[in-house]
Amino acid sequence: LAKTTQPISMDSYEGQEVNITCSHNNIATNDYITWYQQFPSQGPRFIIQGYKTKVTNEVASLFIPADRKSSTLSLPRVSLSDTAVYYCLVPNTGGFKTIFGAGTRLFVKA
Amino acid sequence: DTGVSQDPRHKITKRGQNVTFRCDPISEHNRLYWYRQTLGQGPEFLTYFQNEAQLEKSRLLSDRFSAERPKGSFSTLEIQRTEQGDSAMYLCASSLNRVYPGELFFGEGSRLTVL
Repeated sequence: LAKTTQPISMDSYEGQEVNITCSHNNIATNDYITWYQQFPSQGPRFIIQGYKTKVTNEVASLFIPADRKSSTLSLPRVSLSDTAVYYCLVPNTGGFKTIFGAGTRLFVKA
Repeated sequence: DTGVSQDPRHKITKRGQNVTFRCDPISEHNRLYWYRQTLGQGPEFLTYFQNEAQLEKSRLLSDRFSAERPKGSFSTLEIQRTEQGDSAMYLCASSLNRVYPGELFFGEGSRLTVL
């Protein structure tokens, strides 16, 4: 299983763009990169998943360079409600035993 | 909303008692997962089912923990002879069986407090 490394915490202000980078040096050819968001006292929620280059949805963008050894989750114009923990995962092909790290705690200030 | 539901949401018990948590996954999902999460940590994988078969169990699970999914639908997680270290949020998730990893849908969790 590919191990991921991401910052423990980040601070931002409302309206700013937030970029959270995750490294996954030993990612395998068939692995996808997945990001989840978790609010206190709730289960994690899927944000976005990608394999290469760029993926965008209504919530975020995911940038993956050609070597796929890192990825960047981009949250445009964050609000206070984006304060949460963000997890970068590289689930093995098949999807079982998805392993979560400690995640990145994002604090959005007014 | 037919998301993943867990019951009970909160459980307070005394050390040494047995507790059981139930998870009802999204109806068409054949994969079901249990995780445990303590304060400040990410969810920790406990076990995984595909239909009724328990395919993997974490070595972190002691013999006091058992999970079942008898008919491939709902699942139960039982903890026998609870210890204070078992205090945590127990999360259930489900997903569809796909070639590549799909989205895990999590429930709200069952918070256990062992006194």
